[in-house]
Amino acid sequence: DQQVKQNSPSLSVQEGRISILNCDYTNSMFDYFLWYKKYPAEGPTFLISISSIKDKNEDGRFTVFLNKSAKHLSLHIVPSQPGDSAVYFCAASVGNMLTFGGGTRLMVKP
Amino acid sequence: GAGVSQSPSNKVTEKGKDVELRCDPISGHTALYWYRQSLGQGLEFLIYFQGNSAPDKSGLPSDRFSAERTGGSVSTLTIQRTQQEDSAVYLCASSLVAGGPNEQFFGPGTRLTVL
Repeated sequence: DQQVKQNSPSLSVQEGRISILNCDYTNSMFDYFLWYKKYPAEGPTFLISISSIKDKNEDGRFTVFLNKSAKHLSLHIVPSQPGDSAVYFCAASVGNMLTFGGGTRLMVKP
Repeated sequence: GAGVSQSPSNKVTEKGKDVELRCDPISGHTALYWYRQSLGQGLEFLIYFQGNSAPDKSGLPSDRFSAERTGGSVSTLTIQRTQQEDSAVYLCASSLVAGGPNEQFFGPGTRLTVL
């Protein structure tokens, strides 16, 4: 039973446009959400996070939105750059555990 | 070192052999996690250590898998009698303390191939 799901395995976006990556979860006890970015042959690197008491967190070109009633979060990247091409994982935590989604491969075309 | 390091970076072994994977966390981080990522899959939690507490082994897929953390620092993940389905990238992460706001810092992973 996947508690965190990323239903789009891949996404292709033109450079300069907005990238929107989506994530759904089922466990209402999750209280913290994170996005990680992963390049090939490297470990995931932390990107941005949001507490369940907020609905938006922004950091430069990256914004994470949380809709608790829908159990949905999204990552917006604007403007998208070719260097953003990577696999993006959402993760959710309760207590000491992180549960990851399956990842979405983002390709930003020049 | 500045980040989490893992060794070896690649390991090819024959079915039935034992393997040991090593993780050096960031100095001072009390929490250490092991995950694996099978081809085309997300990160699957295996085990985590927090300070001197007993590890949370709830994610280990079978009793062929075990891990230890010596002196609160370096950790080894051991897989006995490897099977082909054990082929995956094994990732280690550490965080200052365990818990949601404390982001985990990942190593580059060990790619295990069981022939």
